Amino acid sequence: DAKTTQPTSMDCAEGRAANLPCNHSTISGNEYVYWYRQIHSQGPQYIIHGLKNNETNEMASLIITEDRKSSTLILPHATLRDTAVYYCIVRVQPGDDYKLSFGAGTTVTVRA
Amino acid sequence: NAGVTQTPKFRILKIGQSMTLQCAQDMNHNYMYWYRQDPGMGLKLIYYSVGAGITDKGEVPNGYNVSRSTTEDFPLRLELAAPSQTSVYFCASSKGGMNTEAFFGQGTRLTVV
Repeated sequence: DAKTTQPTSMDCAEGRAANLPCNHSTISGNEYVYWYRQIHSQGPQYIIHGLKNNETNEMASLIITEDRKSSTLILPHATLRDTAVYYCIVRVQPGDDYKLSFGAGTTVTVRA
Repeated sequence: NAGVTQTPKFRILKIGQSMTLQCAQDMNHNYMYWYRQDPGMGLKLIYYSVGAGITDKGEVPNGYNVSRSTTEDFPLRLELAAPSQTSVYFCASSKGGMNTEAFFGQGTRLTVV
């Protein structure tokens, strides 16, 4: 499995952009980068995923470096409701591609 | 469209009792998963299924059993409950393949005393 490394925690101010880094230096060419978040006591929620190109949806943007060894999730205008644990996940190789493996994630606290 | 539904939401078991955690999805997804999350920790995969009649172990299968007789349902059975099984249990489903997202239920909070 390609493993990921994320900071344990980070704070950001309400209304500002939150940039969440993730390192995945052992990622393989056909593995996707996924981001999920878990708001306290709730089930994880899908945010976004990408392979090589940058991606944007209504929740966030995903920037993947050209060498694909790292990525950044951007929450453009953080709100208090974005306080959550954010998980960066790399999907494993085909033949084993139905498993999602969650690490410890980054605890993001948005402050007023 | 209910998504992934888990029942019950809360349960207290005595040591040695058994119970079944129910999970149902209405999205016609082939892949279903059971995770547990201990306080302050990440999610750990217990069992998963890639289709009706097919199940396989995840990282922490000991003390649990699953079955997948239909596409919609994926119950998790706890036999001889132990305090170490006190946790929040999440069920999830996905269409499958590398380029799909998973949908999670709201969890079952289980306490074994």
